[in-house]
Parts: sequence; C-alpha cells; structure tokens
Amino acid sequence: DTAVSQTPKYLVTQMGNDKSIKCEQNLGHDTMYWYKQDSKKFLKIMFSYNNKELIINETVPNRFSPKSPDKAHLNLHINSLELGDSAVYFCASSRTSGGAPRQETQYFGPGTRLLVL
Amino acid sequence: GQNIDQPTEMTATEGAIVQINCTYQTSGFNGLFWYQQHAGEAPTFLSYNVLDGLEEKGRFSSFLSRSKGYSYLLLKELQMKDSASYLCAVRSSGGYQKVTFGTGTKLQVIP
Repeated sequence: DTAVSQTPKYLVTQMGNDKSIKCEQNLGHDTMYWYKQDSKKFLKIMFSYNNKELIINETVPNRFSPKSPDKAHLNLHINSLELGDSAVYFCASSRTSGGAPRQETQYFGPGTRLLVL
Repeated sequence: GQNIDQPTEMTATEGAIVQINCTYQTSGFNGLFWYQQHAGEAPTFLSYNVLDGLEEKGRFSSFLSRSKGYSYLLLKELQMKDSASYLCAVRSSGGYQKVTFGTGTKLQVIP
C-alpha cells in the first residue's frame, strides 16, 4: 500500500550519462513535486506539476526535464549528468484544494540516491 | 522571496523537553509546516499552523506568531527515536503556493 513510490532507490552512474527517475502516487493527489536534497540536507524544490501542468520551475539546469504523463506519475529525466548532480531526489504529492490548507500536506516518496562518478 | 532560519544542531536528554525554533521572512505567508526526517529516510509531516497560537498533538506541539515571523516545535518526554532532523517549511500565498524548506535542525537525543 505504498503511497508515493520512486524507482530506482539507488542510482550510480558515470558523468555524461542520461538517466531517468520515476515517481508514482496512489493517493489521488493532483499535485506532484521533485525536490533535491544535497549533502548538507537542504531540501530544495525543483519542479511542481498540477494536473499534468507545470506550475513551479525553479532555477534548474535545462538538463533536467520533468514529464507528467498523468496525475499519478511524475518522472524526471536528467541529461549529461554532472558530479554536482549527486544528491537524494525526493518526489512528493499533495492535494491542492480551495478548502482546508491542511489537506495540502505533502507526502514524500522514499527518495532516489543518485551518485555520479 | 523567502528566508527561513533554524539552528543547525541540538542535543537533548531522553525524557526532557526540547524547543526547536524557526524564524522566517516571506513576501506572502500562507502557513508553516514542521516535518521530521530520520537519517536516510523521507520527510514525514508533523504539524501545520496557519493561525497564531499553539497546536498540540500528543508529545509534539507547534506554535506560530505571524507578526514575529516565528514558530517553534516543542517535543516533550523525549525518546531516543526522536533523534532526527526537523524541517521548518513555509508556504507562500497567492496562486500555486510554493513550500520552501529551511535547512533543518538535527536533534540528537542522548540517554
């Protein structure tokens, strides 16, 4: 009964490669997010999609391209990987509503630990 | 923009009470979250404050003062399993409201 799942959990790859991380949520949420958590544990928003539409796009290199085929999935493709991309990438989801803001609590996936060599 | 400040690390004794502070500066405020993150795991939701005052949930309480741009998380009857990072996060107002996380406070509970 996993709420937010990510694959793979670990990813070790060479510099210059292209890789993808997948995220799926079965909570019926309409908003999904990608966060990057660096070695100093700072959790920073990268992208957010609402109903498959990109709504937040922070200052992220265009080597990073999110794709949302439907409301339950948000994938992240990274081209030409660099050493500085090594981090833990968290997917999250929430329900955006006009009602109680508490409903918009974000639920996080287990994270994908990316190591670029 | 948003600026969120928390202490980097704290140590407290099992059974004691600890208060983790968070100050923020934001151009528009629409709520403050506290998340707990154990090492190697995902953040999990603890509390949400949008109005001034104290919200209590079991051993954990969270306080907000919007006029002071200040919140704290209070943990009572500390247990060893409470050793974790505690992340303060602020939601901006207007449009699709972005949540910005602080750098987190790493709490170590010692016997």
